[in-house]
Amino acid sequence: DQQVKQNSPSLSVQEGRISILNCDYTNSMFDYFLWYKKYPAEGPTFLISISSIKDKNEDGRFTVFLNKSAKHLSLHIVPSQPGDSAVYFCAAILRGTSYGKLTFGQGTILTVHP
Amino acid sequence: EADIYQTPRYLVIGTGKKITLECSQTMGHDKMYWYQQDPGMELHLIHYSYGVNSTEKGDLSSESTVSRIRTEHFPLTLESARPSHTSQYLCASSEFGARDEKLFFGSGTQLSVL
Repeated sequence: DQQVKQNSPSLSVQEGRISILNCDYTNSMFDYFLWYKKYPAEGPTFLISISSIKDKNEDGRFTVFLNKSAKHLSLHIVPSQPGDSAVYFCAAILRGTSYGKLTFGQGTILTVHP
Repeated sequence: EADIYQTPRYLVIGTGKKITLECSQTMGHDKMYWYQQDPGMELHLIHYSYGVNSTEKGDLSSESTVSRIRTEHFPLTLESARPSHTSQYLCASSEFGARDEKLFFGSGTQLSVL
C-alpha cells in the first residue's frame, strides 16, 4: 500500500512559467512533509518542508502548500528555470515515532525548456 | 553543507560476488539509513541505524546486511550478488532530534549485477 503518491510521472514547463508538482498521501497521521530534488546519478537534496500545523511555507522561488482535508500537498516553483529540471520527490513522516524514516513518493520528472 | 560520501559511484559485477558499498559521514549524525531506488519508483528504506551497534531492517526486505561499528561509517554488504540486486543504493544521515527531519544523502552507488 503506497502511502505517498505522485500521480504525474513527468511535467514539462516553459522557462519563466510556474511549475506545480502534486503529491497525495493516505495516512492522516503524517505530520511533516518534505520535498527533495534529485539529479541523475546523484543523491536527493532537501528543498523545502512544511509542518501539518501550517498550510503554506515559502522559500525564495519555492512554495509548498498543504491541504490536510484533501491529504494533498503541492510544490510551486516560480519562475521556473532550466536548472530546475530534475526529479522531485515528496516525502512524509510521523515525527516522534518513525525516527526519521521518511515515506517517499515515486517522483515527478520536471523538464523546464528554455 | 552536507558531508556524506559513498563509494563506489558505479559498480558492475558478476553474479555470486560479494560486495560492500561504503558510506561515511563527517557530520557526527547518529542516525543513518540505506535506501534503494529504481528508476520511476519511490525510495525504499532497507536499513537504518540510530547509533553505534544499532541496526534495523527497513520497510523493504533486502538480502543485504549492514554494520555500525563507528558513528561515521555505515557499510552495506551483499554476500552473493544477483541480477535482482541491480539498483541505485542511497545512503543518508540525519541528526537525532532534529525538528526538520531533514536527511542528507550521499551521491549514491549504481549497482549492476550481470
